Amino acid sequence: GAVVSQHPSRVICKSGTSVKIECRSLDFQATTMFWYRQFPKKSLMLMATSNEGSKATYEQGVEKDKFLINHASLTLSTLTVTSAHPEDSSFYICSASTSGRGYNEQFFGPGTRLTVL
Amino acid sequence: SQQGEEDPQALSIQEGENATMNCSYKTSINNLQWYRQNSGRGLVHLILIRSNEREKHSGRLRVTLDTSKKSSSLLITASRAADTASYFCATHPAYNFNKFYFGSGTKLNVKP
Repeated sequence: GAVVSQHPSRVICKSGTSVKIECRSLDFQATTMFWYRQFPKKSLMLMATSNEGSKATYEQGVEKDKFLINHASLTLSTLTVTSAHPEDSSFYICSASTSGRGYNEQFFGPGTRLTVL
Repeated sequence: SQQGEEDPQALSIQEGENATMNCSYKTSINNLQWYRQNSGRGLVHLILIRSNEREKHSGRLRVTLDTSKKSSSLLITASRAADTASYFCATHPAYNFNKFYFGSGTKLNVKP
């Protein structure tokens, strides 16, 4: 149980286009989802936290208009990188939390590697 | 990093030896968790220790937590080549389940 999927696993796009990444909790309801960004050989940087049905809370320095997050249901959150540029190339990872089981339960997706040409 | 640092940044040992990684964090926490990441892949949850616990074991893993020093350590005993990976600590700040911060990570290389 407690499986989180991400789609796509890898995406290559041209500069200026927008890319949507989906994060799904497959067998549980996720009241909270987290989005992270990881640069090569670096740690995960928390970008934003999203709660179902409400606006995402962004970390300082993360552009809200650049990284649009939607948490439309208890099993799906999406991250849209708008007008992508080469510097947005990175590994994006989501995680889902079931607050009903205690907010320390975090389940991670396998990640999406974005390459912007 | 957003929450803290880990040391060493890189560790290279021989198979069979023990590996110790340390994590320091900045704010009071509810719990601290250790994760493993193989190159270019997702995260694997290893162990969770709560703020009121001082030590936990899971198989070959031993985790300690010192909240007075805001630090934790992960010990892997009798290491194997398959343990080669990056290891990260992550914390839930106290009273804020909407945050989850990772340390800078330790890259462990276990030579066969």
